[in-house]
Amino acid sequence: DGGITQSPKYLFRKEGQNVTLSCEQNLNHDAMYWYRQDPGQGLRLIYYSQIVNDFQKGDIAEGYSVSREKKESFPLTVTSAQKNPTAFYLCASSRRQGMLSSNTEAFFGQGTRLTVV
Amino acid sequence: AQTVTQSQPEMSVQEAETVTLSCTYDTSESDYYLFWYKQPPSRQMILVIRQEAYKQQNATENRFSVNFQKAAKSFSLKISDSQLGDAAMYFCAYCMEYGNKLVFGAGTILRVKS
Repeated sequence: DGGITQSPKYLFRKEGQNVTLSCEQNLNHDAMYWYRQDPGQGLRLIYYSQIVNDFQKGDIAEGYSVSREKKESFPLTVTSAQKNPTAFYLCASSRRQGMLSSNTEAFFGQGTRLTVV
Repeated sequence: AQTVTQSQPEMSVQEAETVTLSCTYDTSESDYYLFWYKQPPSRQMILVIRQEAYKQQNATENRFSVNFQKAAKSFSLKISDSQLGDAAMYFCAYCMEYGNKLVFGAGTILRVKS
């Protein structure tokens, strides 16, 4: 089955440590996204990538880093510079826009709950 | 910058009744996409409905329909014959035709009363 997989589901990090969240998709999508969701709040865009080896900062990129070395993978690193990293993180993918076509919606993984201990 | 505003933090509806969730957005683009996503307690995001800005006809998906007013930059979601399973957080989202930046509103919690 095609889909998007995030791992792990739960992650604990000590203060001052970097941690990497995994996101893999087999939908052959060009675009991938990382969002942060805080309790009772909406999704805020951290980083997004339209194509391999290219990515752009979203609205809250500070303290985060990403890479896009393969089409299928878009890992997110939460660095020690992120002051309040405890949150729910969602990864998504979609077809690349610019074609005025259907099937442009984003598909989401099941999320990773990151807690700083 | 594009922004999406959902002015209703929480809404309630009686089972079998109709409810409308509001969404407005700000953009200078003429070609874009709008979406409504549902997030149940499992936190899995589920696409409810999609609208292409170049289409004048409002999108419908079974009990879900939208009222797309391009000039007013408004995109409301109507849920007819509400069911208990409709209870969730609903997010309005915008994506411009070029650029792939998908932006979400803050969400509306929908409660369905039996």
